[in-house]
Amino acid sequence: QKEVEQDPGPLSVPEGAIVSLNCTYSNSAFQYFMWYRQYSRKGPELLMYTYSSGNKEDGRFTAQVDKSSKYISLFIRDSQPSDSATYLCAMSGLNAGGTSYGKLTFGQGTILTVHP
Amino acid sequence: DSGVTQTPKHLITATGQRVTLRCSPRSGDLSVYWYQQSLDQGLQFLIQYYNGEERAKGNILERFSAQQFPDLHSELNLSSLELGDSALYFCASSEGSQVTQYFGPGTRLTVL
Repeated sequence: QKEVEQDPGPLSVPEGAIVSLNCTYSNSAFQYFMWYRQYSRKGPELLMYTYSSGNKEDGRFTAQVDKSSKYISLFIRDSQPSDSATYLCAMSGLNAGGTSYGKLTFGQGTILTVHP
Repeated sequence: DSGVTQTPKHLITATGQRVTLRCSPRSGDLSVYWYQQSLDQGLQFLIQYYNGEERAKGNILERFSAQQFPDLHSELNLSSLELGDSALYFCASSEGSQVTQYFGPGTRLTVL
């Protein structure tokens, strides 16, 4: 079983819809949770990160972390065709010094298409 | 544009060969990370360097090695290449916080 599970989709929604992307994980040592967006033939682009449980909002994007359920979500409001991309969740734990490990563990990515 | 540069963009080579991928981190970033992205395995962490020293290692094959030079650029060396090594190889860099990693455009390696 993979440490991070993410539904690969594909997910197709109409413009303006609310999109919900999710990941589950098994490693309770994960403390940092990231969402990356990757356009075709490009490198992943960091969208947001959160530390431990809670919510974080940035414009149309909201990230939620529920550590008790080992479940994280990314919501995209008022989705646009330009949001069409692969969305990757990523996670990292803490080292003995209390800072994050450099190693990010990624989900498989969800392919999102927003059609006009 | 993340500020991380990678060369070459594409590389086509034969099995058994050796290649070198190059990465220049964002200005001021001391950490460099290498990842491999394939269809079946997804994005996998290979190795991290911080200011010239190896800091963390993932499931990197013994045929693969990396180093970070005094000017902070990094190279990933892949030897005795196999068909299964065909993938996208990404370099990322970070400043202080290792959480916020910025990825380069990647090198697409095709082994024939």
